[in-house]
Amino acid sequence: EPEVTQTPSHQVTQMGQEVILRCVPISNHLYFYWYRQILGQKVEFLVSFYNNEISEKSEIFDDQFSVERPDGSNFTLKIRSTKLEDSAMYFCASGRDRQFFGPGTRLTVL
Amino acid sequence: EDQVTQSPEALRLQEGESSSLNCSYTVSGLRGLFWYRQDPGKGPEFLFTLYSAGEEKEKERLKATLTKKESFLHITAPKPEDSATYLCAALPGNTPLVFGKGTRLSVIA
Repeated sequence: EPEVTQTPSHQVTQMGQEVILRCVPISNHLYFYWYRQILGQKVEFLVSFYNNEISEKSEIFDDQFSVERPDGSNFTLKIRSTKLEDSAMYFCASGRDRQFFGPGTRLTVL
Repeated sequence: EDQVTQSPEALRLQEGESSSLNCSYTVSGLRGLFWYRQDPGKGPEFLFTLYSAGEEKEKERLKATLTKKESFLHITAPKPEDSATYLCAALPGNTPLVFGKGTRLSVIA
């Protein structure tokens, strides 16, 4: 069964550093998403992406975040200058009404 | 504001003891109601989508039902491997998925 993959599984970074989280969505899907889950809290929507542009973004997705689809298979989330409160699990998902989630990247900001 | 509330927050069952998890939602123009299973440190794993009131879906020991205000996930004769957090999410008319906090289920042998 096709699945969404994410790399790395765990990223540790210093506050103020840039990180790039990578995702390979399911190959025939056209809608892509990033979500985050702070430990013990709800899964929260960050951004959706369709037709090579952002279709919707939440209040969390401020100027320090960006997304890109650099080629036909990868979908990336960049955090320009990480803060302590960015520590969370970040999930990529693909699909339209039925979204399939990747295994997540645990981001730890020190 | 679109909102999804799940109860209970945690549920402990003996193996074989059936029960139900509740998901109450307040969303505008519901397009779908989703149930996911999440194991510790993993991504949500899709279980069911329900689209209209009265709809039911089943998979092994799990059955999901939908009314106009709630969804239930019924677990029949659970086994220890059913232990996980079960997430409910609503897809409103023109906004992204809204998740509940989840119900943490523990099934004791």
